Parts: sequence; structure tokens; C-alpha cells
Amino acid sequence: GNSVTQMEGPVTLSEEAFLTINCTYTATGYPSLFWYVQYPGEGLQLLLKATKADDKGSNKGFEATYRKETTSFHLEKGSVQVSDSAVYFCALFSGGYNKLIFGAGTRLAVHP
Amino acid sequence: NAGVTQTPKFQVLKTGQSMTLQCAQDMNHNSMYWYRQDPGMGLRLIYYSASEGTTDKGEVPNGYNVSRLNKREFSLRLESAAPSQTSVYFCASRLDRDQPQHFGDGTRLSIL
Repeated sequence: GNSVTQMEGPVTLSEEAFLTINCTYTATGYPSLFWYVQYPGEGLQLLLKATKADDKGSNKGFEATYRKETTSFHLEKGSVQVSDSAVYFCALFSGGYNKLIFGAGTRLAVHP
Repeated sequence: NAGVTQTPKFQVLKTGQSMTLQCAQDMNHNSMYWYRQDPGMGLRLIYYSASEGTTDKGEVPNGYNVSRLNKREFSLRLESAAPSQTSVYFCASRLDRDQPQHFGDGTRLSIL
């Protein structure tokens, strides 16, 4: 079945460090891929998405490229800020199932 | 600009009590979802409704029932609450298959 695997957290970085959060997936067909972010005490917000192979999603300095050959959608940011501290979820949508499949989430903590 | 509204935000129940969590969206979305979020497990789908008048089970439907009252509202009911249902519950909605889901701020439910 479809599944998403994320690197375990927490990830702890200093401000202005480079961020990578790994995400790989298993799916039949050509799923759409998403990154969601959850700030403390809030619901999930869409951060970026990619709907086909080699697409790059980007938002707020974050980027992720849909790599079909490695079934990956790693999240990157060149210079993190304290305000980026949150939990990040990778997810895929497979049309045949009409629902999102989420990874377990990766907590990011950025300190000054 | 309400988006997805969940009520209540917090609730404490005793084992065996019943409870209905309310969710409403004002974006004219077709699909609505109920998830639970537990530490280290990401979001797990409880039930979803692809369109008004239809509901389907997700990954963890046992102990829950849902009602898609109309296009706007999708409620989740616990008939006889159990401590294992202590969690944060999120409602989400989506316009169409390739569109992202929009989430509410969650309901924190504790069952003693």
C-alpha cells in the first residue's frame, strides 16, 4: 500500500543553518506530494506541493523536488530561523484512495 | 476568513461518556476528513466524506461515528469514550482531488 517515511526527529539547528528533512514514499501510480507544517497549538498548514516528477515546490524559502527515480521529496531550506521551529509532515495524495497519507512528522527546533 | 472551524477546542470526558466534535467549513469544499494525532504517529485518518451524503472509513474508525450533515458540516461522535481515544482531533476539508487539504486548529480531547 501507499506509505510515507520521514526522518525521525527532533532536528535541532542553530539559526541560519541549512535544513534537510528527508522524505521517501511508496505509492502506485503518480501521487501528488505535499509538505505541511504545524506550529505549536495549531492545525496543519500547507507549506508546498508538487504534482509530477521533477516538479519543485517552494514557499517561504523552503523547497522540495519530486524525485520519482528515488521516490523522494526531501524538504530543504538554506537558512533557518527561530520562527521555523515546528513539526513538518510529508504527505502523498493518491487519487485512487481519495485521501492523504501522512508521514509521522519531524520536529524542528531552531535556537538563536 | 474562517476556513475550517472546530468546536470545542478542549474537552475532558470520563470513560463511557459520549461526545460529538463539530466541524464546519465555509469554503464550499466537497470532501471533509477527521484525523487523530498522537505522539510519534503522525495523523491517522478516522473517517472521511468525499461528498455530501457519503462517508467512508479510514485507518482507525473503531469507536467512532460520523455524520455529514450538509456540505458545510461533518461531525465526529464518540458513543462511549475510552482512554485510548485521548488525542488531538483535526478536521480538514478539500475542494477537489488535486487540491490541498485545509485543517482546523484541532480539538484536544482527554478521557479519564
